[in-house]
Parts: sequence; C-alpha cells; structure tokens
Amino acid sequence: AQTVTQSQPEMSVQEAETVTLSCTYDTSESDYYLFWYKQPPSRQMILVIRQEAYKQQNATENRFSVNFQKAAKSFSLKISDSQLGDAAMYFCALDSNYQLIWGAGTKLIIKP
Amino acid sequence: EPEVTQTPSHQVTQMGQEVILRCVPISNHLYFYWYRQILGQKVEFLVSFYNNEISEKSEIFDDQFSVERPDGSNFTLKIRSTKLEDSAMYFCASTEGGAVDEQYFGPGTRLTVT
Repeated sequence: AQTVTQSQPEMSVQEAETVTLSCTYDTSESDYYLFWYKQPPSRQMILVIRQEAYKQQNATENRFSVNFQKAAKSFSLKISDSQLGDAAMYFCALDSNYQLIWGAGTKLIIKP
Repeated sequence: EPEVTQTPSHQVTQMGQEVILRCVPISNHLYFYWYRQILGQKVEFLVSFYNNEISEKSEIFDDQFSVERPDGSNFTLKIRSTKLEDSAMYFCASTEGGAVDEQYFGPGTRLTVT
C-alpha cells in the first residue's frame, strides 16, 4: 500500500524565519511525483511545489524548496522568509496511478 | 486565469436524501477528480475520471456514489441516501494531462447532512 506520513500536526515559526515541514512516503513504484499543497483558511487547495522522482535536483519555487531524499523516501518542504500569508494547512501528496495519496497535513502558524 | 468552479458552496440535506454536487473543470482539461475532506481530517481521494469513464476509485467510492459528465462542461458527483458521516468538504479538481500535472482545485462544496 502506498502511504504518506506527515508527523508534525502543527508547526509555528516567527515571521521572516525559516521552517521545514516533514513528509515521508512509501511506494513500490520507481517513477512517481510528489507534491506539496497549501490549504489556507479559505479551504481552497493550492499547489506549492512539485517534484519528479526521477530528477535528483530538488525543486524550488521562490521561497519554497524541497529536500527530496529518494532512498529515504523523504520529501520535506522548506519555507524561507516566512510571511503571514503562509499560514495554512500544508499537505504532502504522492501521485500514484491517476490519484493522489495525501498526508494528514501540518498546520503552519506564523508568529508576527 | 482559468479556474475550477463548484456549486453550491454549501449544501444542507437531510439524512437519506440524494445530493448532486456540481463542478465545472477548466475547459481544456481532460482528467477530473473528486476528493473529500471530513472536518479536521486529511484529504481523501474518491474517484478519477477520464474519457467519460472512471479511471480509478477508492474504497470510499462505493455504490452510494456516482459521477457523470452530462455535457461538455459539467462534472457531477451524486451521493445517494446520504448519511451523517458524508458531511464533509468535497473538492473537485482537474488536470490537463493526468495526476502528474498540477491539479487545479475548485473552492469546494461543504455538505452538511442532518
């Protein structure tokens, strides 16, 4: 079975600081995709960043970057220079055959 | 920028009733999905749809549920004989080229079963 685990139910960070959200996964597939989605209080799901498993280079998107460790099946999200607008639930997801397998989410709190 | 829309934003129904949740995916997208999120819990995949048929469905998506693309724009989720535990946010998503592409999510429909 394919699973995604986010072990941090809640994280907090001071504005302008850096925070890392953890995600581990399990899959028997050799080729797959990993995603981080953000869900602000409006409840809409917004893609933050995407990583292709066959690419060794870690994906980056402005202040967001990932640390993808394929052997360890780890896919953490780093948010640099945290902003108040980053406050949201963050979900890690694994693509597997036409569906996304979701983690339980991490609530990110930004302290002003 | 194109977006996925969902109606209604909030649906209240009595237990045992049937509801239809509507979604309008982005026009050039070919793959469509339904997810649900029970309050405080993680997002759960329900079903994916491509070329007018279900591609994949989860254990949650039993005979109580059905999906349909009745015309060229709408994508609906029907829930028959609703139960209290069906209360959740239901998200529709679409992609151009399958799950490996960015899934564009709609704003969700909050279903409350009383």
